[in-house]
Amino acid sequence: GAVVSQHPSWVICKSGTSVKIECRSLDFQATTMFWYRQFPKQSLMLMATSNEGSKATYEQGVEKDKFLINHASLTLSTLTVTSAHPEDSSFYICSARRPLEQYFGPGTRLTVT
Amino acid sequence: GQQLNQSPQSMFIQEGEDVSMNCTSSSIFNTWLWYKQDPGEGPVLLIALYKAGELTSNGRLTAQFGITRKDSFLNISASIPSDVGIYFCAGSSNSGGGADGLTFGKGTHLIIQP
Repeated sequence: GAVVSQHPSWVICKSGTSVKIECRSLDFQATTMFWYRQFPKQSLMLMATSNEGSKATYEQGVEKDKFLINHASLTLSTLTVTSAHPEDSSFYICSARRPLEQYFGPGTRLTVT
Repeated sequence: GQQLNQSPQSMFIQEGEDVSMNCTSSSIFNTWLWYKQDPGEGPVLLIALYKAGELTSNGRLTAQFGITRKDSFLNISASIPSDVGIYFCAGSSNSGGGADGLTFGKGTHLIIQP
């Protein structure tokens, strides 16, 4: 199956700082990637759709100025959590789109202290 | 927005038993997907369904896309210890589950007692 990687796998940062998470499709090109957030013992919630070469589309209630998405190439999308707060602590998971399916990365655990 | 109701929330079964879980929706989905997630990892695709009425198997797993396009079930036969994990259904409004961001069910936590 398709391989999607994320980096870092976990990160701890102080409140007020920014954190960048990378999502890469390793063996295929993905014009579209998705970012999800998962709180403990909850389901995945779609945050935004990342399109290569254009602006991301954000779901209702997700602040685009806080969660900056850049999809600079067909294999890389980045999510930057700006001015992080403890309530942003979560498991962030990306997925990369192929014609019929989505393949998920291993996730990034963000803890804001 | 769209919501998926997934049940049961958790299952405690004996090794070797069959497992069944399902998802229902108030709106139509054109693609249903079933994923398994282990702790601290991303979801792994198990089965994808693209046509109403479709019945698809992947080893011991069988899933069906409901005729009304508002439901799907997943069966696991002869469960083994490595089946432990959280199973999620996911739906897409587009034909071909890659096109849109997915709507996920709340998950079924499968626990197997040896």
